[in-house]
Amino acid sequence: EVQLVESGGGLVQPGGSLRLSCAASGFTFSSDGMNWVRQAPGRGLEWVSYISGSSTIIYYADSVKGRFTISRDNAKNSLYLQMNSLRAEDTAVYYCARDLDYYDVLTGYKRAFDYWGQGTLVTVSS
Amino acid sequence: EIVLTQSPATLSLSPGERATLSCRASQSLSSYVAWYQQKPGQAPRLLIYAASNRATGVPARFSGSGSGTDFTLTISSLEPEDFAVYYCQQRSSWPPTFGQGTKLEIK
Repeated sequence: EVQLVESGGGLVQPGGSLRLSCAASGFTFSSDGMNWVRQAPGRGLEWVSYISGSSTIIYYADSVKGRFTISRDNAKNSLYLQMNSLRAEDTAVYYCARDLDYYDVLTGYKRAFDYWGQGTLVTVSS
Repeated sequence: EIVLTQSPATLSLSPGERATLSCRASQSLSSYVAWYQQKPGQAPRLLIYAASNRATGVPARFSGSGSGTDFTLTISSLEPEDFAVYYCQQRSSWPPTFGQGTKLEIK
């Protein structure tokens, strides 16, 4: 059974830093890309960052570029998000999500976020 | 960045009725659209990927259709557990984007 468990959220002051972790189990972690997605209170879903299985491909949303760093440790089956220079607008529940991305010879590419963790709340406030 | 517009924002229906949710894209997505269900206090759950493929364990009453810029999620006969917020997502190009959501509420 695929499981993703986030941790590391909490209350931090504006300008502060926080490191989120996502512990993965039930699948070959090193084979799959991973994402961070956030959801501000009462709002919709916003993709934050992506990292490929080998860490060779990394993407960020413009809203966090230069402040957040995604990384992974395949030996520990863990995904991370280092968040620096935090702002009030970064307040959200942060989810890690596995990236489904494969090619079916008959029907083409299949892409989605197929498994999600339960989320960890980050509150940026003084 | 591709913008997804979902309609309606809120849909009020009764159990047993048919629900039709729409997602329109600002540019063609081929079939790289997914649909998610989110209940209060829970993480999103993948329902449909590649526009029309049901994810593992998703009941057959959920179906997806569309291509290009117009996509639809249909729930053929609503069960009480189906009342939730539904999001479409595009995976055609980076960054992946989500629609603003459709809240399906009990009438």
